[in-house]
Amino acid sequence: GEDVEQSLFLSVREGDSSVINCTYTDSSSTYLYWYKQEPGAGLQLLTYIFSNMDMKQDQRLTVLLNKKDKHLSLRIADTQTGDSAIYFCAETSGSARQLTFGSGTQLTVLP
Amino acid sequence: DTEVTQTPKHLVMGMTNKKSLKCEQHMGHRAMYWYKQKAKKPPELMFVYSYEKLSINESVPSRFSPECPNSSLLNLHLHALQPEDSALYLCASSRQGANEKLFFGSGTQLSVL
Repeated sequence: GEDVEQSLFLSVREGDSSVINCTYTDSSSTYLYWYKQEPGAGLQLLTYIFSNMDMKQDQRLTVLLNKKDKHLSLRIADTQTGDSAIYFCAETSGSARQLTFGSGTQLTVLP
Repeated sequence: DTEVTQTPKHLVMGMTNKKSLKCEQHMGHRAMYWYKQKAKKPPELMFVYSYEKLSINESVPSRFSPECPNSSLLNLHLHALQPEDSALYLCASSRQGANEKLFFGSGTQLSVL
């Protein structure tokens, strides 16, 4: 079946860049997403990328997709304390038809 | 309006109680979802409604009963729950269905005593 993996924890200093990585196994993935979840809240869709793209930029967020290696990353420039949250990578494909989530990466921003 | 609204935000219930979780969206989305999320874990899909018909039930126990009264509303009826059912229950919607981005509500934090 489909599998999406992420590292569990990342700590960065305020003002630095954060890079959160994700790998997936389904080569038929169509869309890949990044969701942010703050404590006690639902999931907020941050950004997404279609599988025929290799990069998408949206203000402080840059998504890179390496389809050959099935690797997705989210770069947050000038990381702020408000960026502290759990970040979930997710993908959909023709076979799964529903979202498959990674385990989530807890980002901690240190002052 | 790009919101999915869930009520209540918090719910405490005993194992013999009957309660309902409610979800509403006014984005014209035709697919709605229930997810269960344990602390520090990814959401797990429970049910999917597509055009007001139940299209996916991920082998959820019958003590959870979904209902879609119309295209904007989704309910989850709870009866005879167990303490291990305590979790954050998230509702989501998407424009039509598979392979589309999901918009999530803020969830109902459920505690079963």
